[in-house]
Amino acid sequence: LAKTTQPISMDSYEGQEVNITCSHNNIATNDYITWYQQFPSQGPRFIIQGYKTKVTNEVASLFIPADRKSSTLSLPRVSLSDTAVYYCLVGPSMNRDDKIIFGKGTRLHILP
Amino acid sequence: NAGVTQTPKFRVLKTGQSMTLLCAQDMNHEYMYWYRQDPGMGLRLIHYSVGEGTTAKGEVPDGYNVSRLKKQNFLLGLESAAPSQTSVYFCASSAQGNYGYTFGSGTRLTVV
Repeated sequence: LAKTTQPISMDSYEGQEVNITCSHNNIATNDYITWYQQFPSQGPRFIIQGYKTKVTNEVASLFIPADRKSSTLSLPRVSLSDTAVYYCLVGPSMNRDDKIIFGKGTRLHILP
Repeated sequence: NAGVTQTPKFRVLKTGQSMTLLCAQDMNHEYMYWYRQDPGMGLRLIHYSVGEGTTAKGEVPDGYNVSRLKKQNFLLGLESAAPSQTSVYFCASSAQGNYGYTFGSGTRLTVV
């Protein structure tokens, strides 16, 4: 299983763009990169998933360089409601009997 | 469409008592997972299942047992509860090969 490393915490201000980087040096060829968001007293919520280059949805963008040893979650124009813990996960793709391990995540605190 | 439903939402147990946590999903997902989350910690995988009738150990399986007799249900049992099992328990499910996990809202368990 690929191990991930991400900052323990980050602070930012409303209206700013926030970038959270995750390192995964031993990512395997078939592994995807997935990010989750967790608010207090709730289960994590899927944000975005990608394999390479750039993926964008209505919530965030995910940037993955060619070597895939890291990835960056980008949250545009954050608001106070984006205060949460963000988890980076790396895991196998189709037809593999395996499990995904969550780390401690990045605690993002948005200030007014 | 309820997604993933966990029952109960809260429970207080005395040391040595037993209980079963129920997770039900209505998305026809193959994979189901039980995690625990302690204050300031990430999610730790207890047990998981890759299909009906199958179970496997995660990171912290000791003191827990699971069963997946029906595809839509994943049960987590504590045979003899200990204070160290005080935690918030999350169930999740995913389609085979897809790591867009859907999480339940959690069960807050206190063992006194």
